[in-house]
Amino acid sequence: GAVVSQHPSRVICKSGTSVKIECRSLDFQATTMFWYRQFPKQSLMLMATSNEGSKATYEQGVEKDKFLINHASLTLSTLTVTSAHPEDSSFYICSASLGQPSYSNQPQHFGDGTRLSIL
Amino acid sequence: QKEVEQNSGPLSVPEGAIASLNCTYSDRGSQSFFWYRQYSGKSPELIMSIYSNGDKEDGRFTAQLNKASQYVSLLIRDSQPSDSATYLCAVNMLNTGTASKLTFGTGTRLQVTL
Repeated sequence: GAVVSQHPSRVICKSGTSVKIECRSLDFQATTMFWYRQFPKQSLMLMATSNEGSKATYEQGVEKDKFLINHASLTLSTLTVTSAHPEDSSFYICSASLGQPSYSNQPQHFGDGTRLSIL
Repeated sequence: QKEVEQNSGPLSVPEGAIASLNCTYSDRGSQSFFWYRQYSGKSPELIMSIYSNGDKEDGRFTAQLNKASQYVSLLIRDSQPSDSATYLCAVNMLNTGTASKLTFGTGTRLQVTL
C-alpha cells in the first residue's frame, strides 16, 4: 500500500526556534499533500493543502507566514514552523493521496506524525 | 451543523460483541467515504473506504453507506481489545474546492472490555 514517511517523529526545542518537518511519499507521486495539527483529545485540524509547484492553500485562521509550506517535488512537502512558541506545541501530521487532485475517490494516507514540544 | 458528525463516545462493548459506529454528513453531493482508526498518540490509519450505497465487507469490518439518508457506518464484528481506539469518519465533499480534500468528524472513541 501507499507509504508516507514523516520526519522527525519528535522535536523538543526552545521558544523562538524554527522547526522543519518533512513529509515524503515513498512509493508514489503526490501532487497534493495535506498538513494537519492535532491537540490532545481533539480531532484533526487541517492546516493547509500543499500543491506541488505552486503555493499552498491555507485554511482560515492559519498564519501562512508562520507555517511555511514548500512542495518542491512530487514526493516531498515540508512544513516549517517559524519562531515557534509553546502554544505551537502539538502533533503535526501530513498525508498524501494517490493520483491527481481531480480524483476524488482516493483516500489519504498519513505519515506517523511529528510531536512538537516548545519549551 | 457540523459537516461530518460523530458521537464522541466512549462506546463501550464487551469482547466478542459487534461495535457499531455511526457518522452523518451534510453535503449531499459527497462521493467518497472513509473510516480511519487512530490509536492514542499515533496517526490515523485507513480501515475502509466506500463509494456506493450498500455494504462493503473486509474481514471483521463492514462499512455501510446510505446516501439518501447521508449516513455512513462501520460495524466491527467479534470486537477485540486491540480494536480500542478512536474511529474517524472522513468524507470527500465537493464543496471544498479540492477533490482529494477530506472533511473529518471528531471521532468516536471505542472501548472493548474484557
